[in-house]
This record gives sequence, structure tokens and C-alpha cells, in this order.
Amino acid sequence: EIVMTQSPATLSVSPGERATLSCRASQSVSSNLAWYQQKPGQAPRLLIYGASTGATGIPARFSGGGSGTEFTLTISSLQSEDFAVYYCQQYNSWPLTFGGGTKVEIK
Amino acid sequence: EVQLLESGGDLVQPGGSLRLSCAASGFTFSSYAMGWVRQAPGKGLEWVSAIGGSGATTYYADSVKGRFTISRDNSKNTLYLQMNSLRAEDTAVYYCAKRAAVTSGYFDYWGQGTLVTVSS
Repeated sequence: EIVMTQSPATLSVSPGERATLSCRASQSVSSNLAWYQQKPGQAPRLLIYGASTGATGIPARFSGGGSGTEFTLTISSLQSEDFAVYYCQQYNSWPLTFGGGTKVEIK
Repeated sequence: EVQLLESGGDLVQPGGSLRLSCAASGFTFSSYAMGWVRQAPGKGLEWVSAIGGSGATTYYADSVKGRFTISRDNSKNTLYLQMNSLRAEDTAVYYCAKRAAVTSGYFDYWGQGTLVTVSS
């Protein structure tokens, strides 16, 4: 099983600032990596797939990068609606696995 | 518009059974693989099971293998999860999710979830 590790667990950021979230895989997942956003009481929403491709309707301030075992999600200028929990997920091999999540909170 | 509507969540005793359903609309259901993902209270996401478009191919997390069965009825545009021998650690919100493509294991649409509570 591929273990996905996200850091930091919590990120405190002021509105308008840049946020960078990390996700590490225990072995290479190539570019088979997705990012999701989840707000309290809501289902997850797909942000990024293929490590760097934005999903339909996702604002350009969200960008993904990396390949192999190291990945990042960058939010260029945090808006109030971006404060949420973010999860990475590998789909390179079964079982599918998620990271533990990074909570982005208001500083 | 893609819609996924889960149902069937309930309070059940340890060792009991439950069947979850997910009614899909807004896309050609039989053309897409589907999956179930769960989230225990206050915890992260855990993939549970997946099924191919025809239903011939299924996958399970080790934590549910042998106890849960995923299936689908393409004539009814409905996905199912039969859960047997339930344990307290199966308590979670269960999300139905649509896989983006047959060859891609990420989920582009999610339902709102249904709560399963396993407790005596």
C-alpha cells in the first residue's frame, strides 16, 4: 500500500497570502495524484488531477505541481472561501490512498 | 448536471448488516466506474471500494474485504454497498463518488454522504 503523507497538518494563513501544501508518497505514483478540498459538512470537491491539471470550474489561483513522490498544492492568494481541509490522493495503484489532510485556517 | 444521492445509512448494532444505495443521474452511468469513500467522525478520507462500469471488476480496501460487497444496477443507475459483519470502526459518513474515467482512479463528482453508525 502506498502511504500518502501531508504536511503541515495545519497551515495558518492570512487572506491574500500564498499557501503551499505538501504531499509525499511512500513510493512513486508518477503523476497519478489528485487534490480535493473539503469544507465542514460538505463532500470533497476535486481541485487538481494528474498532479497539475485543474478540474472544471476551479479558479486559476489553485495550482498543483510535482511528480514521483513529492507534490505541492499552491493557492496563490487565499480567499475567504478557501479556508478548508485539503487532501491528496494517489491513483497509481490499488488500494487508492488519501493523505491525512491539511487544514488551512485563518491567521 | 451530475447528481449522486446516497441513502441507507442508519444506526446498526455490531455484527449487523446494512445496504447503502447511490442513485446517479446526469451522466451515462454504465460508462463510468464508481466508488465508495468513507470518513469517520473528525477523521480523514478512506477509500473503501470501487467497481468498473459493467460491474465485472471490483476492488476493496483490506479493512472491508470479505465483509463488504460493491455492486451496481445499470438499468436503475444505482450503485450499492452491502455491508456485513459491521464493526464500531466502520462508523463513518459514506460517500458515493464517480470516477473520472475507466483508467483514472480519481473522483470528479461526489454525493453528500450517508451516515452509518455502528453501536450497541
